[in-house]
Amino acid sequence: DGGITQSPKYLFRKEGQNVTLSCEQNLNHDAMYWYRQDPGQGLRLIYYSQIVNDFQKGDIAEGYSVSREKKESFPLTVTSAQKNPTAFYLCASSTPRGPTNTEAFFGQGTRLTVV
Amino acid sequence: KNQVEQSPQSLIILEGKNCTLQCNYTVSPFSNLRWYKQDTGRGPVSLTIMTFSENTKSNGRYTATLDADTKQSSLHITASQLSDSASYICVVSVLTSGTYKYIFGTGTRLKVLA
Repeated sequence: DGGITQSPKYLFRKEGQNVTLSCEQNLNHDAMYWYRQDPGQGLRLIYYSQIVNDFQKGDIAEGYSVSREKKESFPLTVTSAQKNPTAFYLCASSTPRGPTNTEAFFGQGTRLTVV
Repeated sequence: KNQVEQSPQSLIILEGKNCTLQCNYTVSPFSNLRWYKQDTGRGPVSLTIMTFSENTKSNGRYTATLDADTKQSSLHITASQLSDSASYICVVSVLTSGTYKYIFGTGTRLKVLA
């Protein structure tokens, strides 16, 4: 089946640790995105990538890092510098540019909790 | 500032009833507007997408309307079912520095009761 897969579904992190969230897609989409969702707020863009080996900071990139070594994969690392990492993280992909008749496909999300 | 506001914040209706959710946006330049359904703990799933020139788009019991002049959209759900219980998110696409970005509303949480 074509789609976008995030793993793990639940993740627990101790304070001071880095953790990496996985996002894989087999839709042949060039563009991939990472969002953070907090209660009562809209999705906020962390990082996005329009093409392999290139990515751009979103609105809340501090404390996060990404890589885009393969078209299919866009992992997100939550570093110890992120002061409030507990949230629901969503990965998305879409066809490149001109999204007039396209849509963003979302993964099922990863819920990260700092313990 | 590009913003998307949705109302109401939450809504409770009885099964079989209709309801309408609202979305107002101040996004420019506007590219398209989408409505997503998000079940609790899951990723959003697209319901409809409309460009500037489209006024209405249907997907089964879901009908979205768009008034680009007043920058308003609505999502009408007909004959609601228990499975409609979810958050509904309005998303507007904007062209910024040659790249399309998505501006998300905070969503309307719908609860359908038997």
